[in-house]
Amino acid sequence: DVQLVESGGGLVQPGGSLRLSCVASGFTFSSYWMSWVRQAPGKGLEWVANIKQDGSEKYYVDSVKGRFTISRDNAKNLLYLQMNSLRAEDTAVYYCARLMVGKIDPWGQGTLVTVSS
Amino acid sequence: DIQMTQSPSSVSASVGDRVTITCRASQGISSWLAWYQQKPGKAPKLLIYAASSLQSGVPSRFSGSASGTDFTLTISSLQPEDFATYYCQQAKSFPWTFGQGTKVEIK
Repeated sequence: DVQLVESGGGLVQPGGSLRLSCVASGFTFSSYWMSWVRQAPGKGLEWVANIKQDGSEKYYVDSVKGRFTISRDNAKNLLYLQMNSLRAEDTAVYYCARLMVGKIDPWGQGTLVTVSS
Repeated sequence: DIQMTQSPSSVSASVGDRVTITCRASQGISSWLAWYQQKPGKAPKLLIYAASSLQSGVPSRFSGSASGTDFTLTISSLQPEDFATYYCQQAKSFPWTFGQGTKVEIK
């Protein structure tokens, strides 16, 4: 079965840092674009970042540019999101997801990041 | 960025009803549109891609259509397990953007 499992979420103070991880299984990880999508409590979905198969291209939503870094380790089937200078508005469930042509499938179960003092 | 405007924001319906949700793109996206279903506390699930292609394993009561920059998700006969929030998403260009969501509630 294709599976994505996130980890690394938790409570962090404003201005702090956190690194999320996502381990992939059941498919050839190195063959796909990957993405992070987040959802603030009670709100809709917001795409955060994408990374190409070999890591050579990365895209970010404007609100996280310069603060978040997406990366991957194809040898370990791992996707990362390094989050620095965290703000209250970054509080959300963060989903790891596989990008296919014109669709996002599957999604991980999500990991909650809470930014609060 | 391409904006996706979804309507209605919520709809109350009964089991067996036909439900239609609409999504409008701020510019042409051809058929680069997907629909997702999300239940409380769960990750989104892909239903439809390429505007009208049914994802494997998704019941045939779900269908999608397109007309210009307007896209429609139809549930032909609402079932108890279909009460959820539905999102559209454009996949024409980065950043991929989502509609605001439509909550389908029990009448």
